[in-house]
Amino acid sequence: SQQGEEDPQALSIQEGENATMNCSYKTSINNLQWYRQNSGRGLVHLILIRSNEREKHSGRLRVTLDTSKKSSSLLITASRAADTASYFCATDAGQGGKLIFGQGTELSVKP
Amino acid sequence: DGGITQSPKYLFRKEGQNVTLSCEQNLNHDAMYWYRQDPGQGLRLIYYSQIVNDFQKGDIAEGYSVSREKKESFPLTVTSAQKNPTAFYLCASSDALFNQPQHFGDGTRLSIL
Repeated sequence: SQQGEEDPQALSIQEGENATMNCSYKTSINNLQWYRQNSGRGLVHLILIRSNEREKHSGRLRVTLDTSKKSSSLLITASRAADTASYFCATDAGQGGKLIFGQGTELSVKP
Repeated sequence: DGGITQSPKYLFRKEGQNVTLSCEQNLNHDAMYWYRQDPGQGLRLIYYSQIVNDFQKGDIAEGYSVSREKKESFPLTVTSAQKNPTAFYLCASSDALFNQPQHFGDGTRLSIL
């Protein structure tokens, strides 16, 4: 089964609304990373949050981490059409520290 | 600009043929990775390398081979033993193995003729 699982699988919102994506994982981690992928492109790193951190911000992005619940959330505030992409969480699964990617949340922001 | 260059963008393979995907980085990163992405799926690790002349199998290495003769280059060969090679292949690099943000190329889409 997946180490990281995103929820929801797909999300459609209007421009200006906030978008929240969740990631759950199964084993202890050192850090959790969020990436964005535009259609047909490579992944772009957004934020890395360490296991001893609870919240991190970068521009319109806010990431929280709850290690007791083994979950993380990515909040995009005041979304724009350009935020339309797939968003992946990735955790170091303890298997030699390899990054394990979830299946992603497909976000569509309508103008 | 520093980055990772993958080529070609599209590649077609005939039955029984080996094909090689190129990955070059000028970020001076030690670690490099190859991932496979199938439609609607996350990334699965094929091979990774922490240092020149050393590489390790990932989760789905069967039917693939790599080399790391130069720090900047990490080519992936999809051999005829890989029976289902149609996928999007992504190369990445990072400062250190795994625990750092990874920088990705724009991928190679491989299809069967």
